[in-house]
Amino acid sequence: SQTIHQWPATLVQPVGSPLSLECTVEGTSNPNLYWYRQAAGRGLQLLFYSVGIGQISSEVPQNLSASRPQDRQFILSSKKLLLSDSGFYLCAWSVWGAEKSSYNSPLHFGNGTRLTVT
Amino acid sequence: RKEVEQDPGPFNVPEGATVAFNCTYSNSASQSFFWYRQDCRKEPKLLMSVYSSGNEDGRFTAQLNRASQYISLLIRDSKLSDSATYLCVVGIWGNKLVFGAGTILRVKS
Repeated sequence: SQTIHQWPATLVQPVGSPLSLECTVEGTSNPNLYWYRQAAGRGLQLLFYSVGIGQISSEVPQNLSASRPQDRQFILSSKKLLLSDSGFYLCAWSVWGAEKSSYNSPLHFGNGTRLTVT
Repeated sequence: RKEVEQDPGPFNVPEGATVAFNCTYSNSASQSFFWYRQDCRKEPKLLMSVYSSGNEDGRFTAQLNRASQYISLLIRDSKLSDSATYLCVVGIWGNKLVFGAGTILRVKS
């Protein structure tokens, strides 16, 4: 069965410090990978998604970047954190449906990283 | 207009009650629909997919109304453990899913 690992679970970082969150998926190949952020009391905001190694799409302009160095590894980074980067960061994976352009398969989330920038 | 809209609630119901949530979506080309459950400070977990013909999983029933562009979730015989935030998710195109902000359900004894 497929599993997704995300770490760390919690993180407290000062403003201006770098960030690196890692996510790995097991039990599937060529998954679609996603980074979401959920601010306190808010909905999920898609930050990045990737359909393959080295292929990253950014949804919103921001202080963050993502990389996919391996098929089942997805990394979220920042060179200098801002206070507004605080939130609950969730990695997720999905597979393609039978028709890539018209079908979405459900997302499966990791346990999340709760980031507090101080 | 938001792509996916939900009543934020909270819905406060007694144990054993039946409760229903609706979710409206703006893009008529949407193809995929899901309900997720999110417990406090946890990740969302897939509750059920929503099919055109409607589907049922135990106490949970999901319906899709394409003409009016909404999906619904019905929970029968509510349990205390059903207390959570329920997220409506709609597939707009490609592999992008859009999440609603969620509806809070509180089941009380």
